[in-house]
Amino acid sequence: GAVVSQHPSRVICKSGTSVKIECRSLDFQATTMFWYRQFPKQSLMLMATSNEGSKATYEQGVEKDKFLINHASLTLSTLTVTSAHPEDSSFYICSARDPGGKYTDTQYFGPGTRLTVL
Amino acid sequence: SQKIEQNSEALNIQEGKTATLTCNYTNYSPAYLQWYRQDPGRGPVFLLLIRENEKEKRKERLKVTFDTTLKQSLFHITASQPADSATYLCALSSNQGGKLIFGQGTELSVKP
Repeated sequence: GAVVSQHPSRVICKSGTSVKIECRSLDFQATTMFWYRQFPKQSLMLMATSNEGSKATYEQGVEKDKFLINHASLTLSTLTVTSAHPEDSSFYICSARDPGGKYTDTQYFGPGTRLTVL
Repeated sequence: SQKIEQNSEALNIQEGKTATLTCNYTNYSPAYLQWYRQDPGRGPVFLLLIRENEKEKRKERLKVTFDTTLKQSLFHITASQPADSATYLCALSSNQGGKLIFGQGTELSVKP
């Protein structure tokens, strides 16, 4: 149980284009999902908390107009990187809580999306 | 500001030995402390959660301790195997279901 998927697993795009990453909870409903970014050899940095049916809460320093988050259903959250630039190249990982599962306090992570902006 | 520190250097041990990883934190009073495993190019996988009122938690070959006075958690893998080689992350949260703050991780390498 508590499986989270992400799509695509890797994407290469040109500078200035927009990229959408999907995060799905496969066997549970997630009212809250989280989006992280991880640079090589560094820790996961929380970008935003995505709440189903309401606006996302962004961490300090994260541009909400650049990283658009939509959580339209209990099993899907999307992150759109708008007008991507090479410095946005990173590993993007989502996670979700399973409020009805055995461990309600933990987060289950997706496999990540490697974004490379040329 | 809140700070979480894990062994910055990679840990190399021989198969069969016990691996001990450290997580120290400052300027924080977490209610929960969690340990995750991360393999290269993959998302973290949840291993263990320990609450502030718990001293120790075990799961198979894994053991976690939580000392809120020292502000430290120790993560032990007994009878280590090469398959245990990965980066191990500790993460803290201040409330139930709240956001996690991660340490930078410790890379463990178990040699046969």
